[in-house]
Amino acid sequence: DVKVTQSSRYLVKRTGEKVFLECVQDMDHENMFWYRQDPGLGLRLIYFSYDVKMKEKGDIPEGYSVSREKKERFSLILESASTNQTSMYLCASSRARDEKLFFGSGTQLSVL
Amino acid sequence: GESVGLHLPTLSVQEGDNSIINCAYSNSASDYFIWYKQESGKGPQFIIDIRSNMDKRQGQRVTVLLNKTVKHLSLQIAATQPGDSAVYFCAENRAQGGSEKLVFGKGTKLTVNP
Repeated sequence: DVKVTQSSRYLVKRTGEKVFLECVQDMDHENMFWYRQDPGLGLRLIYFSYDVKMKEKGDIPEGYSVSREKKERFSLILESASTNQTSMYLCASSRARDEKLFFGSGTQLSVL
Repeated sequence: GESVGLHLPTLSVQEGDNSIINCAYSNSASDYFIWYKQESGKGPQFIIDIRSNMDKRQGQRVTVLLNKTVKHLSLQIAATQPGDSAVYFCAENRAQGGSEKLVFGKGTKLTVNP
């Protein structure tokens, strides 16, 4: 089975801190994604990547950046964390663009 | 807002009954649909998918029905068990601006009563 591993299950940060969320997948998938999930708003796409060193903005990229130096790893960066970035962050990967996504367990980030 | 949506935000069933969770989509060009299950505190888990060249697909205790005429998708769970209690999302692979992306519905919360 595909395994998508997110480095932290819970994270508490202070406003203004730089935050790194790490994600690793073990199935040699080309595509990787970062979503945030908020009550009543569902899953919203932040950034995605279809190849190493490639990135594309999703629906809500403001305040975030990403890094994909290796195929298996996709990092989400909050340059200066703000309280409105408190959320559940979900990483996902897929083999091809029209195939199902496999999700990690999520990182619940609280920004105080 | 998103047009991949749900007819009911919550569904409560008795253990052993069949459950039906519905989803509407708006883009007739969408060609791939997925159902996910998300338990509390966990990431979404793939259940079943269907492509637009099919109208029905069956898995273990689950069936997905696709009605392209009315742009409607449903997930049927047979003999619902307490372990089926979760939020269920549909997702639509939608062509948008020259690329494709998965658009998720807001979810239906299924509660199974013993």
